[in-house]
Amino acid sequence: GQNIDQPTEMTATEGAIVQINCTYQTSGFNGLFWYQQHAGEAPTFLSYNVLDGLEEKGRFSSFLSRSKGYSYLLLKELQMKDSASYLCAVRPISGYALNFGKGTSLLVTP
Amino acid sequence: NAGVTQTPKFRVLKTGQSMTLLCAQDMNHEYMYWYRQDPGMGLRLIHYSVGEGTTAKGEVPDGYNVSRLKKQNFLLGLESAAPSQTSVYFCAICPVAGYTDTQYFGPGTRLTVL
Repeated sequence: GQNIDQPTEMTATEGAIVQINCTYQTSGFNGLFWYQQHAGEAPTFLSYNVLDGLEEKGRFSSFLSRSKGYSYLLLKELQMKDSASYLCAVRPISGYALNFGKGTSLLVTP
Repeated sequence: NAGVTQTPKFRVLKTGQSMTLLCAQDMNHEYMYWYRQDPGMGLRLIHYSVGEGTTAKGEVPDGYNVSRLKKQNFLLGLESAAPSQTSVYFCAICPVAGYTDTQYFGPGTRLTVL
């Protein structure tokens, strides 16, 4: 199975850059996903990585190292609306569903 | 929310009561999932379905039953609600389960069991 770890909380300043790390242990791997979840709302898809390297999508980038079991989500030019929880999820090679970490609550301050 | 609706949005039950949560999609996706989300626990998979007429257990299936009689609907039932089932329930859909396919979530149902 998977053991997925993320920091519980982070705080950053508007306009800055923040990196949210995710580590996982898995017996099989078929992709890593990042979701954003605002308070009281549903998770929404941000990005996925299946090969090593960096995927860039506007202000958000996601990095994966399969050999290290490590990913990060990089948020640039932070805005107040980026205050949310960020969920790391792994799709196991033999499964149909995603396994989610507990999420990182990001607070962006003025 | 990618054509995923959940009914009801909120519900308060007494211990021992039963209820059914409905997830409906208009995307014609094969895969449907039920998760629960609790503070400090993250999203945990209850049951899922890989197609009409099929269901399978997830990580935390006890106390819940599901049915997928029609492709577009996935029902989650609580036969005898317990306070431990107080949670936010999310339905998700996915076209197939290939590595490029992501899950899209419904708006959630907030359930309180007294």
